[in-house]
Amino acid sequence: DADVTQTPRNRITKTGKRIMLECSQTKGHDRMYWYRQDPGLGLRLIYYSFDVKDINKGEISDGYSVSRQAQAKFSLSLESAIPNQTALYFCATSDPGLASTDTQYFGPGTRLTVL
Amino acid sequence: QKEVEQNSGPLSVPEGAIASLNCTYSDRGSQSFFWYRQYSGKSPELIMSIYSNGDKEDGRFTAQLNKASQYVSLLIRDSQPSDSATYLCAVNPNSGYALNFGKGTSLLVTP
Repeated sequence: DADVTQTPRNRITKTGKRIMLECSQTKGHDRMYWYRQDPGLGLRLIYYSFDVKDINKGEISDGYSVSRQAQAKFSLSLESAIPNQTALYFCATSDPGLASTDTQYFGPGTRLTVL
Repeated sequence: QKEVEQNSGPLSVPEGAIASLNCTYSDRGSQSFFWYRQYSGKSPELIMSIYSNGDKEDGRFTAQLNKASQYVSLLIRDSQPSDSATYLCAVNPNSGYALNFGKGTSLLVTP
């Protein structure tokens, strides 16, 4: 079984709808992240969480919100989806551990289309 | 804004050649450095990590780090068509923040 899972894998929705993307991990990592990826723009950080009580905005948090329900679960919500939120969304996890290396491991991605 | 810069490519190399991918970063205090490979429509997967100046080898891959020049590179020896992908450079400024990613370099290995 995959260590980091994302649901749904694909979603098509309409402008103005509320959407939730979910991420679960079995790696036991404290840190979780949400990114979006657009052609030519690379990976951009939306939100990150270093533990259940810690939530931080990334560079492009406007229009998004998150919930860290447990160590293993981190959800991303689009309260009112708009077409320019059409993108590939990735969840990632990391654990700095003793070496503070903080390697990130990515889920398979969710392709979201907003019409 | 702490930046990670990569040439977008595409970098085209013949099969069997050495592919050289380069990355520069702006935050001199950066602690750890990563190379990820990403196939189209797929998630990034870790290729190499490096934390100290010098070279680190893993199979056909060698990561090189020069903190004084704020430069990190990835060499792929004996390039194969299956190496054709986008390679992302990522830099961790310190353990209290998320990774900064470059926009990636597209590599094409031609048979």
